[in-house]
Amino acid sequence: DIQMTQSPSTLSASVGDRVTITCRASQSINSWLAWYQQKPGKAPKLLIYDASSLESGVPSRFSGSGSGTEFTLTISSLQPDDFATYYCQQYNTYPWTFGQGTKVEIK
Amino acid sequence: QITLKESGPTLVKPTQTLTLTCTFSGFSFSTSGVGVGWIRQPPGKALEWLALIYWDDDKRYSPSLKSRLTITKDTSKNQVVLTMTNMDPVDTATYYCAHRGDTYTYFDYWGQGTLVTVSS
Repeated sequence: DIQMTQSPSTLSASVGDRVTITCRASQSINSWLAWYQQKPGKAPKLLIYDASSLESGVPSRFSGSGSGTEFTLTISSLQPDDFATYYCQQYNTYPWTFGQGTKVEIK
Repeated sequence: QITLKESGPTLVKPTQTLTLTCTFSGFSFSTSGVGVGWIRQPPGKALEWLALIYWDDDKRYSPSLKSRLTITKDTSKNQVVLTMTNMDPVDTATYYCAHRGDTYTYFDYWGQGTLVTVSS
């Protein structure tokens, strides 16, 4: 299985901060990576697909980059609605695998 | 508009078989490329991909759970069924089904999830 490792596990930030979350794959996944946002008691919501494509309706403050084994999710200016847990997921190789999650908390 | 909804028991006993149904609308297995997957999330833990079934009945499973999982579809009812045998308390989780589109590979629409507790 391809292991997906996110860092940090928890991130404390303030409204307006620029936030970056990293996801590393144990082997190359090309650009077959998605980012999801999950709030407590809710299903994950797709933010980014194919590493850098913004899903329709997702605010432009979210962006993704990377290819191969290293990827980043950036929130350019953190908003109150963005406090949540974020997961990366590879869909290059079965079984598809998720990172362990990064919780973005209020500082 | 694509929607998915999971249904099934909220409580199962250890060693029992779990059967979950995903009922969807807004798409069809008649469309080439479409898929529906199952993902679970133990309380306070990360997401885990379980299985996926495609329009052509191709099926993929998590290797670690493959011996316990079966995924099937009923195209006429717009449903996907996941069965998991020999349930254990560590299988306590929220189980989600999700849509994989016809021209892309990621999950873009998810059901609300259903919490399954395994306890005697």
